[in-house]
Amino acid sequence: AQSVTQLGSHVSVSEGALVLLRCNYSSSVPPYLFWYVQYPNQGLQLLLKYTSAATLVKGINGFEAEFKKSETSFHLTKPSAHMSDAAEYFCAVSEGGVGQGGKLIFGQGTELSVKP
Amino acid sequence: ETGVTQSPTHLIKTRGQQVTLRCSSQSGHNTVSWYQQALGQGPQFIFQYYREEENGRGNFPPRFSGLQFPNYSSELNVNALELDDSALYLCASSITGGNEQFFGPGTRLTVL
Repeated sequence: AQSVTQLGSHVSVSEGALVLLRCNYSSSVPPYLFWYVQYPNQGLQLLLKYTSAATLVKGINGFEAEFKKSETSFHLTKPSAHMSDAAEYFCAVSEGGVGQGGKLIFGQGTELSVKP
Repeated sequence: ETGVTQSPTHLIKTRGQQVTLRCSSQSGHNTVSWYQQALGQGPQFIFQYYREEENGRGNFPPRFSGLQFPNYSSELNVNALELDDSALYLCASSITGGNEQFFGPGTRLTVL
């Protein structure tokens, strides 16, 4: 069975500092991996996805993530944090192609705070 | 292009009642998935609908049921509401074989 573990339920950084949100996955098949962001009282917005193409994936708002099979990791980074990045971030793995019973399995989430 | 919409935005029910939540999928999307997100938790998969039939289900009891209509919109029905059913319910739509699910804003259900 697939699973996702996000290390750190809360991360705090200063504006302009590096953002690093950690995600480790467990999967018996080549995984499809995702990072979503959730702002207060809103749904989920896709930041980026890994679907077995390039291991370094670039997303929206300056975020990127690197797929490391040997470490079973898919950490999310951003070189310089902005106040507007404060939100909840979720890492997710898909069981398979959507439409093939490909449900998303989410981690517990990491709340990112950005200090001025 | 219209995104995923959900109604109502908020809902308050009492224990034992029944509730219906609605979702309109994004244009061109034929698959709808429902997730429950309890406070402070990640979303949990409830079930998915494809071609008007359930296509995968998570660890939720039968009192959680759904429908998908010919226009691909969907309903989530919950019977005999319990306090623990209080959560944000998210609907996501996608295309067959696609890897990306597009989420709606959610319905906040409070059970008193």
